[in-house]
Amino acid sequence: DAGVIQSPRHEVTEMGQEVTLRCKPISGHNSLFWYRQTMMRGLELLIYFNNNVPIDDSGMPEDRFSAKMPNASFSTLKIQPSEPRDSAVYFCASSYIDSKQYFGPGTRLTVT
Amino acid sequence: TQLLEQSPQFLSIQEGENLTVYCNSSSVFSSLQWYRQEPGEGPVLLVTVVTGGEVKKLKRLTFQFGDARKDSSLHITAAQPGDTGLYLCAGAPGTASKLTFGTGTRLQVTL
Repeated sequence: DAGVIQSPRHEVTEMGQEVTLRCKPISGHNSLFWYRQTMMRGLELLIYFNNNVPIDDSGMPEDRFSAKMPNASFSTLKIQPSEPRDSAVYFCASSYIDSKQYFGPGTRLTVT
Repeated sequence: TQLLEQSPQFLSIQEGENLTVYCNSSSVFSSLQWYRQEPGEGPVLLVTVVTGGEVKKLKRLTFQFGDARKDSSLHITAAQPGDTGLYLCAGAPGTASKLTFGTGTRLQVTL
């Protein structure tokens, strides 16, 4: 298996622009997680899905952030409009039920 | 909000030395996981401990879950440069789905 796939690996954008991060979970996994990692705040859970349904989005910082999972093999995290403080590494992870979470390589986002 | 504090934050040691990393919280967790993250990659799960007082060994790494399930430790014996990385503990309050990650310990092992 290829593991969790994220794209792009790096994104540089200007403040105010829309940013879309993409994730393909491991085939057969039914849970998907979006995390954000910064030096100041560490690794934070933003939102997670079970069977394509959002279960807990309490970690989403504000309305500028939205996440979708239209099917079992694809999810997006969108930031609109982006701000410099959104600069971070965003990770997607997937798991089967409550078992081990497998993390993708991350997307490093820089908002200037 | 359940917080997991790790200590030390940074650790730089020479090959062959032993070290211990601590993960502490005021909250009880149903299970606790330890991850290692290398630069440019996502965290990789090392171990999950579930029972209070449980000890698990993974080669030179020994993990312990506190009796009250509020804290954990990771001990590395005879550290090697390949152990270099960011070590993260993560607690699950109930279901393992929603993890709270610790503040992290950055370890560097030099020759």
